[in-house]
Amino acid sequence: EPEVTQTPSHQVTQMGQEVILRCVPISNHLYFYWYRQILGQKVEFLVSFYNNEISEKSEIFDDQFSVERPDGSNFTLKIRSTKLEDSAMYFCASSGSSETQYFGPGTRLLVL
Amino acid sequence: QQQVKQSPQSLIVQKGGISIINCAYENTAFDYFPWYQQFPGKGPALLIAIRPDVSEKKEGRFTISFNKSAKQFSLHIMDSQPGDSATYFCAASMIQGAQKLVFGQGTRLTINP
Repeated sequence: EPEVTQTPSHQVTQMGQEVILRCVPISNHLYFYWYRQILGQKVEFLVSFYNNEISEKSEIFDDQFSVERPDGSNFTLKIRSTKLEDSAMYFCASSGSSETQYFGPGTRLLVL
Repeated sequence: QQQVKQSPQSLIVQKGGISIINCAYENTAFDYFPWYQQFPGKGPALLIAIRPDVSEKKEGRFTISFNKSAKQFSLHIMDSQPGDSATYFCAASMIQGAQKLVFGQGTRLTINP
């Protein structure tokens, strides 16, 4: 069964450093998403991406965040200058012709 | 108006019992209501979903009840098993386009053997 994959599974970085989180969505999917989940809290929407552009972004997704689909398979989330409060689990999701969003296993980001 | 409110925050049920988790929403433009199951350290996995044109959907031991007029929906887990112990999130979105999921706060369900 096709699945969304994410790398790395864990990332530790120093405050102010740039991080890139990578995702490989399900191959025939058209819509891509990033969500985050701070420990013990609900899953929060960050951004959606369709047809090589951002469809919608949340208030959390400020200028330090960017997304890119550099080739036909990868979907990346870049955080330019990490802050302590960026520590969270980041989930990539994708959906195809149906409304069902399939989530990856997540990247646990820890900013020190 | 984008919020989805979920209760209870935690729930303990005996094996074989019925687990019930409730959600309420405000935005009447929502037209897709999924439930996700999440195990520790894993991503959310779709469990079951409903659209507002039906009042109930059943898949195995899992049932969604939907009350459009009250803007509420609930997940019922029949014959709850220890393997059902997980965190459950309700969510809502609009089907059109690349629409975000708005999640509830989550319910940590524990099934005692």
